[in-house]
Amino acid sequence: QVQLVQSGAELKKPGSSVMVSCKASGGSFSNSSINWVRQAPGKGLEWMGGIIPIFGTPNYAQTFQDRVTIIVDEFTTTTYMRLSSLRSEDTAVYYCARSPFRGGIQHTWLDPWGQGTLVTVSS
Amino acid sequence: SYVVTQPTSVSVAPGQTARITCGGKNIGSKTVHWYQQKPGQAPVLVVYDDSDRPSGIPERISGSNSGNTATLIISRVEAGDEADYFCQVRDSSSDPYVFGTGTKVSVL
Repeated sequence: QVQLVQSGAELKKPGSSVMVSCKASGGSFSNSSINWVRQAPGKGLEWMGGIIPIFGTPNYAQTFQDRVTIIVDEFTTTTYMRLSSLRSEDTAVYYCARSPFRGGIQHTWLDPWGQGTLVTVSS
Repeated sequence: SYVVTQPTSVSVAPGQTARITCGGKNIGSKTVHWYQQKPGQAPVLVVYDDSDRPSGIPERISGSNSGNTATLIISRVEAGDEADYFCQVRDSSSDPYVFGTGTKVSVL
C-alpha cells in the first residue's frame, strides 16, 4: 500500500516562497501521478498541479501557472511543491495525493492522500 | 472552465438515506469520484469511476452518474458518516481535476 508523508507546518511572510515535500513509500511510484491539492480554512479543495515521475513534466492549474513549481526526485521517491510570491490568501492546508496507473491506464481518482501541511502566510 | 455544483448541506436522520448531488453540464459523460473528509483529516476516497468502491468502504455507500447529475448515496446513515463530501470530475477542456464545492452531511 502506498503511503504519502508530507513535511511539517510552515510560517511564511508575504512575498516569500514555500516548499512542501511529499515522500512516497510502498507500491509503485514512477508511473503514478502525484498531485497537489490545497484547502483554505473552511473552504473547498483546489487542484494545483501534478507530475508523473517517469515523465518528469509537470502539469499546472491555470490559477497557479505563474507561481507553482512541482519537481520529483525518483531516487528518494519524493515530490516537491514550491509556491512563490506568497500572500495571505495562500494560507491553507496543502495535500499531496496519488492518481494510480493501472492496467495501462492513468486513472484520475486521488488515493491515498498525504496528511496535509499547513502553510500560514502572515507578516 | 468546467463548473461543478453541490448543495451546501444535507441533513439526515440516523438509519435514513442521504443523497448528495454533484451537478455539471453533461456530467454523465464524464467520470466522477467522491471523497469524504472529516474535521482535521485528509480526504478519503469513497467512490471512484462513478460507482466503484475502494476496499474498506461499506456497501451502503454507492454512486451513480447520468445526465447533468452525479449522486452519492449513503444508506442506513450512521453518526460516523457526518463529514464533508466532495465530488471530483476529470475534464479535458480545462484543468484535469475539478472539485465540487462540497456538501456538509449532518446526522440529526
